[in-house]
Amino acid sequence: DTGVSQNPRHKITKRGQNVTFRCDPISEHNRLYWYRQTLGQGPEFLTYFQNEAQLEKSRLLSDRFSAERPKGSFSTLEIQRTEQGDSAMYLCASSLAGSEKLFFGSGTQLSVL
Amino acid sequence: SQELEQSPQSLIVQEGKNLTINCTSSKTLYGLYWYKQKYGEGLIFLMMLQKGGEEKSHEKITAKLDEKKQQSSLHITASQPSHAGIYLCGAGYNDYKLSFGAGTTVTVRA
Repeated sequence: DTGVSQNPRHKITKRGQNVTFRCDPISEHNRLYWYRQTLGQGPEFLTYFQNEAQLEKSRLLSDRFSAERPKGSFSTLEIQRTEQGDSAMYLCASSLAGSEKLFFGSGTQLSVL
Repeated sequence: SQELEQSPQSLIVQEGKNLTINCTSSKTLYGLYWYKQKYGEGLIFLMMLQKGGEEKSHEKITAKLDEKKQQSSLHITASQPSHAGIYLCGAGYNDYKLSFGAGTTVTVRA
C-alpha cells in the first residue's frame, strides 16, 4: 500500500502524559500536513512542512504541540502534558508541491482521560 | 473554517432518491475539493474543481463550481447505501493548504 500511513490508529492516555504520533506520507510527496478534527467538525489545519522545513503553524498549535519532519520523509507530532481538550482525531495528509490536492491517512484517534 | 459553510448539516434520503449538498465560500476560491469520510476514518478524495462553471462527474456523483467561484454543489443521483458518510468540501485559497467546511452527514435508508 503506497498511501499515507499513520500510527497508532488509537491512543488512550491520561491527562498530563506526553504522546507522539507518526505519519509516513506518500513517498514522492514533499509536502506534509497535520490537521485536527473533532466530532461534528471538519478538519482544522495545524501545520505543514515542505521537505524538512516547517513553513506554517496555526494559532491552534499551542506550545505543548511540536511537529518534526527531520529528513523530509516521515513526520512526528508530539503533544506534551495532554489535556482533555486535546481529545480529537489527528489527521496527516501529503501532497506534491504546487498542488492543494491532499491525500489523507486514516488518522490517529486520541482520547485523553 | 469560518470561510466555508456547508448545508445541510445532515440529511436522510431514501435509497434511490437524489440529494444535493452545498458549499459556500466567503471569498473567491482558487480550487474546491470534495472529500468523503466514513466515521472514524480518514478523508477520501472525490473531485477537484478549479475553473468557474466547471462540472465533473464520477459514477453517480456530480460536482459543480459556480461562475463566480464562491459556491459549489455536490449532487448524488439514485443514492445507494454505499453513498452514506460525511461529505466535506475543502477550499484552496492559494495559500498551500485546504480549509474545510464542517461536513454534511448523509444517511441512506433502504
